[in-house]
Order: sequence, then C-alpha cells, then structure tokens
Amino acid sequence: DAGVIQSPRHEVTEMGQEVTLRCKPISGHDYLFWYRQTMMRGLELLIYFNNNVPIDDSGMPEDRFSAKMPNASFSTLKIQPSEPRDSAVYFCASSLAGQGSYGYTFGSGTRLTVV
Amino acid sequence: QKEVEQNSGPLSVPEGAIASLNCTYSDRGSQSFFWYRQYSGKSPELIMSIYSNGDKEDGRFTAQLNKASQYVSLLIRDSQPSDSATYLCAGRGILTGGGNKLTFGTGTQLKVEL
Repeated sequence: DAGVIQSPRHEVTEMGQEVTLRCKPISGHDYLFWYRQTMMRGLELLIYFNNNVPIDDSGMPEDRFSAKMPNASFSTLKIQPSEPRDSAVYFCASSLAGQGSYGYTFGSGTRLTVV
Repeated sequence: QKEVEQNSGPLSVPEGAIASLNCTYSDRGSQSFFWYRQYSGKSPELIMSIYSNGDKEDGRFTAQLNKASQYVSLLIRDSQPSDSATYLCAGRGILTGGGNKLTFGTGTQLKVEL
C-alpha cells in the first residue's frame, strides 16, 4: 500500500495567487481529513469527508478556502486568493470507519509558503 | 480551555531513562485516545491507542488512561536518542466532534540526551 499521497510537497506562491493541494487517500478508506499545522496553533482540522461527502467544514478559516472530493480516490484543497498567513504545512489523512483503534494515516504533507 | 492540553516542553531525559508524557482533555464524552510521534519535518505517525481505563503496553511504550481524571499519559521505557520527537495526544469524541474526528493537542517535544 502506497499510503496517503499528497502533492506537491512544497509550494511557494505569491500573495493573491490560487493554490491547489491534492490528496489521494488509502484505497478502501472512507474518511478523508484535511489538517493544517503551524507552530502557534498545532494541528487544526479544516474539513473532513465521509464517502466523498463533506461532513464538517467548521474548521475552514474563511471563504477563501474550499475543498472537494469528486471520488473516493482524490481530494483537493484550494485557497483563492492566498495570503501570507496561510503559510503552514497542510496534511491530508484517511481512515476506515469502524477501525477505531487505528486512528488516522497521514500523508507527507504540503509545505505552503505565501510571500 | 483547550480541548486537549499538553505541556509543550521540551522534556529532556537521559538515554535509558523513562520518559513520561502527559495529556488532559476537557470532554468527558471522549471515548478513545491516540498518541502520535512526529519527527521534525515529517508527518505524524500513530504509535499507541487506548480506550479503556488502565494501562496498555506495546514494547517500550505504555499508554495510561484515567477517565475520571480526564488524563492520558505515555511512558517510554529505556529512552533512546531516536525517540527524540514531538509527541501528539489526540482524542475522539471531543466536545461536539464525535464520529471519526480527532482533536489534537499541540504536542510535547521530547529530547533524549546521550
């Protein structure tokens, strides 16, 4: 199993530009989560999906952020327009309902820098 | 009050000693807890989970849960320099989250010194 795959690994963009982060969950996992990690705030849940349906997006900071999951094997997190305060590491994670003891499996993350 | 609280550290222990990492949580409805290890520049990696009061052992790691005190801990025996990392505590069923949503603490940095 290739694990959770995220791309790109690093992204540097200018303020005001659109940024799209991508995630491929583990095959068969029915939950997908997007987290953001900063030194100040730690890991924050942005949004999560169950069977491709968004369940809780209360962590999405504002309307500049949007996430989609068009099918079971792909999800995107988009920021438009990007701002310097969006600079962080963005993690995607997936899990399987009922396997409560396994927690989540995280991808390698995307380090976003907005200048 | 944060939902899951951890001391940020750093916690320094000599090689071979027992490292004790602690976590408190605010939601009495929380059902299960997880410890993740995160090396600098890497993603979190699950090392232990615990659901029931008491101790759960896995190799050099022991997780402890006390639901009455809303307290979770992780003990690392015979600490090695390779254990130096940030340890994240997470709970499921935190406040209105429920379901499959994990809430993370901000992590404790552990340094194992030679």
